Amino acid sequence: NAGVTQTPKFQVLKTGQSMTLQCAQDMNHEYMSWYRQDPGMGLRLIHYSVGAGITDQGEVPNGYNVSRSTTEDFPLRLLSAAPSQTSVYFCASRIRGETQYFGPGTRLLVL
Amino acid sequence: GESVGLHLPTLSVQEGDNSIINCAYSNSASDYFIWYKQESGKGPQFIIDIRSNMDKRQGQRVTVLLNKTVKHLSLQIAATQPGDSAVYFCAENIVGYQKVTFGTGTKLQVIP
Repeated sequence: NAGVTQTPKFQVLKTGQSMTLQCAQDMNHEYMSWYRQDPGMGLRLIHYSVGAGITDQGEVPNGYNVSRSTTEDFPLRLLSAAPSQTSVYFCASRIRGETQYFGPGTRLLVL
Repeated sequence: GESVGLHLPTLSVQEGDNSIINCAYSNSASDYFIWYKQESGKGPQFIIDIRSNMDKRQGQRVTVLLNKTVKHLSLQIAATQPGDSAVYFCAENIVGYQKVTFGTGTKLQVIP
């Protein structure tokens, strides 16, 4: 199993640009989540999904969209990038009631 | 609001010594706790977990202790090695709920 994979590893955007961060898992996990990690702060939940076709907002959803058309994939879309979205983004997946497995992260810089 | 925190932001230990990393949580309803290790430039990696019906759980060189009375969680690493150098953070969850609350992390530095 590859586990949780994320692409790209690094990305630089200009303010106002849009992009999609990709996340995929091959463990048939029902739950998938997107977090951002900023210095001095714990991981904060952006959006999550409890199964294909079902998504919901986390703590910091503004400026981000998600969709879950398959069990494997959970892309995160930045509609109009802002400098405040400079962060490291982690995708995670799990089975209900069990621990999460994280991807390697995407480092995003918005200029 | 509810939160998970750590007492020490940085911990330096001599190679071969035991390490203890502490965590305080405030949500008495939490019943599942996890410790993660995060190396520089990588995603968090699961180390060990414990459910609220237990007060101690052991893994390979790691032990997690849970004291529900004072809402305290600790991670003990035996015979600390240079490869243990990383940021460690705890997380809490209520089983059945999506929300997982993460602490900010403690940096463990192992002195050779």
